[in-house]
Amino acid sequence: QKEVEQNSGPLSVPEGAIASLNCTYSDRGSQSFFWYRQYSGKSPELIMSIYSNGDKEDGRFTAQLNKASQYVSLLIRDSQPSDSATYLCAVPGGSGYSTLTFGKGTMLLVSP
Amino acid sequence: DTGVSQDPRHKITKRGQNVTFRCDPISEHNRLYWYRQTLGQGPEFLTYFQNEAQLEKSRLLSDRFSAERPKGSFSTLEIQRTEQGDSAMYLCASTPRGAPYGYTFGSGTRLTVV
Repeated sequence: QKEVEQNSGPLSVPEGAIASLNCTYSDRGSQSFFWYRQYSGKSPELIMSIYSNGDKEDGRFTAQLNKASQYVSLLIRDSQPSDSATYLCAVPGGSGYSTLTFGKGTMLLVSP
Repeated sequence: DTGVSQDPRHKITKRGQNVTFRCDPISEHNRLYWYRQTLGQGPEFLTYFQNEAQLEKSRLLSDRFSAERPKGSFSTLEIQRTEQGDSAMYLCASTPRGAPYGYTFGSGTRLTVV
């Protein structure tokens, strides 16, 4: 059973700070990793993907991957109240890695 | 294109009744997925289709659940003899060829079994 673990939070940060969201996964064969954002009462939306060890930056978002430690993180710089949401880590799973297995998500609260 | 459409948005049913949900994916997307999400949990995979073929079903999908995707277009998810434990948000997502993990989710159908 492939597992994706996240701290459920909430993670509270003040506006303008860096928010750091973490995820660990059990399957060493995983090759790609995804972060979805889910606002309260809404559906998840894809915000970042990462395939190689190291960092990948997209605007205020940076995804970091360490395959040796089976660890992926999402950094949000200059956090805004509009970033308040649940962030879901997802890893390909199922037979043939055809579907995504999601973690429980970490709730982020950014206070003005 | 209006994205992934799900109907109904909300469904309240009595225990033991059957319910059916519909999902219309983005028209050019060949894969369609059904997930279930309960409060405080991430989406849990139920089943997925590539075109009209149902390629995988989760162990979560008991024999009370059935899904179809006739002609590779819209999909339906039916739950027979509903139980209170079936209360959840049922999410549909679709993906295009070449991007199997870039899910576009619909707004979901919230099922409440009373």
